[in-house]
Amino acid sequence: DGGITQSPKYLFRKEGQNVTLSCEQNLNHDAMYWYRQDPGQGLRLIYYSQIVNDFQKGDIAEGYSVSREKKESFPLTVTSAQKNPTAFYLCASSTRQPSGANVLTFGAGSRLTVL
Amino acid sequence: QKEVEQNSGPLSVPEGAIASLNCTYSDRGSQSFFWYRQYSGKSPELIMSIYSNGDKEDGRFTAQLNKASQYVSLLIRDSQPSDSATYLCAVKAGAQKLVFGQGTRLTINP
Repeated sequence: DGGITQSPKYLFRKEGQNVTLSCEQNLNHDAMYWYRQDPGQGLRLIYYSQIVNDFQKGDIAEGYSVSREKKESFPLTVTSAQKNPTAFYLCASSTRQPSGANVLTFGAGSRLTVL
Repeated sequence: QKEVEQNSGPLSVPEGAIASLNCTYSDRGSQSFFWYRQYSGKSPELIMSIYSNGDKEDGRFTAQLNKASQYVSLLIRDSQPSDSATYLCAVKAGAQKLVFGQGTRLTINP
């Protein structure tokens, strides 16, 4: 079955540690995204990538880094510079529809808690 | 002004009634609009997309778009307890970017 796999599902981090969240898709989608969701809030865009070896900052990129070395993979590193990293992180991918719109498919999410 | 605004709720609707969810957006040039449903602790799933003014129906769901008023809504007919979730409105901004509202929490009361 095609889909997006995020791991780990739950992650605990001590302050000052970097952590990397994995995102793998087998949908053959060109574009991939990372969103952050805080309790009772909508989704905010961290980074996105339209093609391999290229990515752009979203609205809240500070304290995060990404890479896109393969079409299938778009890992997100939460660095110690991110002051409030406890959140639910969602990876998504998309392909262009005949209408021209890009419809997102989401992974199951990774919940990061800083102790 | 936020780019996409929704009433955060909670919105409480009796089972069998019509639930009406609303969303406004600030970018007059937006062309693509989406409604996602998110159950607690889960990831969002797409339930409706709409690109033209007017209504679009899919089963018990109807999306309504009014570009002149910069307003998009979602109607859920014959509401069921399984419809209880947070509904996220999303608007396409730019070539690849999707901007989400904060979501409306909907509760269907049996």
